[in-house]
Amino acid sequence: ETGVTQTPRHLVMGMTNKKSLKCEQHLGHNAMYWYKQSAKKPLELMFVYNFKEQTENNSVPSRFSPECPNSSHLFLHLHTLQPEDSALYLCASSLGTDKGNTIYFGEGSWLTVV
Amino acid sequence: GDSVTQMEGPVTLSEEAFLTINCTYTATGYPSLFWYVQYPGEGLQLLLKATKADDKGSNKGFEATYRKETTSFHLEKGSVQVSDSAVYFCALLRSGNTGKLIFGQGTTLQVKP
Repeated sequence: ETGVTQTPRHLVMGMTNKKSLKCEQHLGHNAMYWYKQSAKKPLELMFVYNFKEQTENNSVPSRFSPECPNSSHLFLHLHTLQPEDSALYLCASSLGTDKGNTIYFGEGSWLTVV
Repeated sequence: GDSVTQMEGPVTLSEEAFLTINCTYTATGYPSLFWYVQYPGEGLQLLLKATKADDKGSNKGFEATYRKETTSFHLEKGSVQVSDSAVYFCALLRSGNTGKLIFGQGTTLQVKP
């Protein structure tokens, strides 16, 4: 139990579907993140939110749409994805975004696009 | 830009062997350095961290020292167990207020009984 909970743990979706990944943190943190882990690339940052405001978008395609309604919840809305988007999507949180902070990860959501 | 380079895996060891996984980094400023571990089918768990030069992070028998002169943060353990089999990621958190964690490619460790 890391204090960062992701649902669903596994998701299979067609290319025309719309689905969402959910993340909730119980650590009292102010910053939340989405990372993507695929088989052939290193872990890569997608989005950063700090106090509900997006502070980083790492050139992510618009078919991925994040939403952060409050500091405890983060969503990743998915639509018209491609098979190459199949990956493990990891949510994370930290108290702040400066380098003195530690970033804690959830268990991840395994996404398969068919 | 900033980057992290880890030794290629997989690393295969017998139980109770000594472990070293090399990690070097390139960064402007003075980043914080981390080791994360990922067990099969799970997310990332923080293993240890160091925030400034000469700091030593340690946890569960693992250690790593922040060496600014060699830009390295090598992970060591004196006696590995089968349960240590996992993928290990070295990462840096850049100076400044970006929250951007940059990872190495990961090193798979297999420990055999």
